[in-house]
Amino acid sequence: KQEVTQIPAALSVPEGENLVLNCSFTDSAIYNLQWFRQDPGKGLTSLLLIQSSQREQTSGRLNASLDKSSGRSTLYIAASQPGDSATYLCAVRNEANAGKSTFGDGTTLTVKP
Amino acid sequence: NAGVTQTPKFRVLKTGQSMTLLCAQDMNHEYMYWYRQDPGMGLRLIHYSVGEGTTAKGEVPDGYNVSRLKKQNFLLGLESAAPSQTSVYFCASSSLTSTDTQYFGPGTRLTVL
Repeated sequence: KQEVTQIPAALSVPEGENLVLNCSFTDSAIYNLQWFRQDPGKGLTSLLLIQSSQREQTSGRLNASLDKSSGRSTLYIAASQPGDSATYLCAVRNEANAGKSTFGDGTTLTVKP
Repeated sequence: NAGVTQTPKFRVLKTGQSMTLLCAQDMNHEYMYWYRQDPGMGLRLIHYSVGEGTTAKGEVPDGYNVSRLKKQNFLLGLESAAPSQTSVYFCASSSLTSTDTQYFGPGTRLTVL
């Protein structure tokens, strides 16, 4: 059974800092890994998707990396802004469970002005 | 293109009452999912569907039923609501390929008294 862990559970940084969020998973036979953002009381918004054959994906100030062999992914946020404050979740889609994803519990990020 | 929509947005039920949550997507996606999100428990898969007329159990299916009579709609039913089913329910959809993201609806906040 796939297990996904995100550490830390919460993170507070001053505006302008670069930061890294971590996601680890136990089963390396994945289809893809997706990073989401969730604002309080809202649904999940997809940020980046990395296919199992890829090493990283970039979108603006965000960069996500994937290391299947070690079961890890990181989400790098450059020059953080107060608007980046949200909960970030990673989700692993497994080959063995076609279409289904296992989610981490998320990291709640607060960027202070 | 509305993406994934959910109705209703909020609902309060008494123990033992029944209700149906409706999810609709206009992206012609094959896969649809129902999740529940609870504090400290993360997102857990209730049921999912890999195509019209098919459904399958997820991680926490007890107390729920689903139907996928039309490709664009996925219904989640609670036959006899219990306080333990108080949660935020999210619907999501995705295509068959590994390159496609999961798209989430805005959620339904359900309280069972």
